Amino acid sequence: GAVVSQHPSWVICKSGTSVKIECRSLDFQATTMFWYRQFPKQSLMLMATSNEGSKATYEQGVEKDKFLINHASLTLSTLTVTSAHPEDSSFYICSARDPKALGETQYFGPGTRLLVL
Amino acid sequence: AQSVTQLGSHVSVSEGALVLLRCNYSSSVPPYLFWYVQYPNQGLQLLLKYTTGATLVKGINGFEAEFKKSETSFHLTKPSAHMSDAAEYFCAVSGRGSTLGRLYFGRGTQLTVWP
Repeated sequence: GAVVSQHPSWVICKSGTSVKIECRSLDFQATTMFWYRQFPKQSLMLMATSNEGSKATYEQGVEKDKFLINHASLTLSTLTVTSAHPEDSSFYICSARDPKALGETQYFGPGTRLLVL
Repeated sequence: AQSVTQLGSHVSVSEGALVLLRCNYSSSVPPYLFWYVQYPNQGLQLLLKYTTGATLVKGINGFEAEFKKSETSFHLTKPSAHMSDAAEYFCAVSGRGSTLGRLYFGRGTQLTVWP
């Protein structure tokens, strides 16, 4: 299947700093990528939909100024957590939609564990 | 609107036993349905998907699922559980129209396999 990578796989930062997470589709071009947040023992919560060349669409309750998304190319989307606080600590997962795959299939990255001290 | 219900947040089976993970969905249009597996501290891996055509879908690692429109179900099964199947399993339905491409996930089912 298609491969999606995320970098870094884990990051520890101080409160108040910004953290950038990269999501790359390695063997296909993704016009649309998605960013999810997952709390322990819970399902994935969609944060935003990232469209190449346009502004991201954020889900209700997600602060767009805090979670900056950039989708500058067909293979790369970035999520920047600005002025991170301990409550932002979570598992962040991206996915990329393969437009050539039937059924709007999304392929997921391995996730990024963020710990804010 | 689309939604997914996974019955049973935890399922335990013995190695070699049948695995049955339940998923029911609601959708105003014919759905695309997915099962994903998540191992600890990892992302989601696609097990199988239903788009159109044959209602019995075979996936990786011996899993299969059957789309039953009359029951609005898409239950995941495997004839014989293996220790390596222990993981979290998520059922998802894809949005249509204005929410095209968006996945709606169930709450997940943790599968435990006993030796």
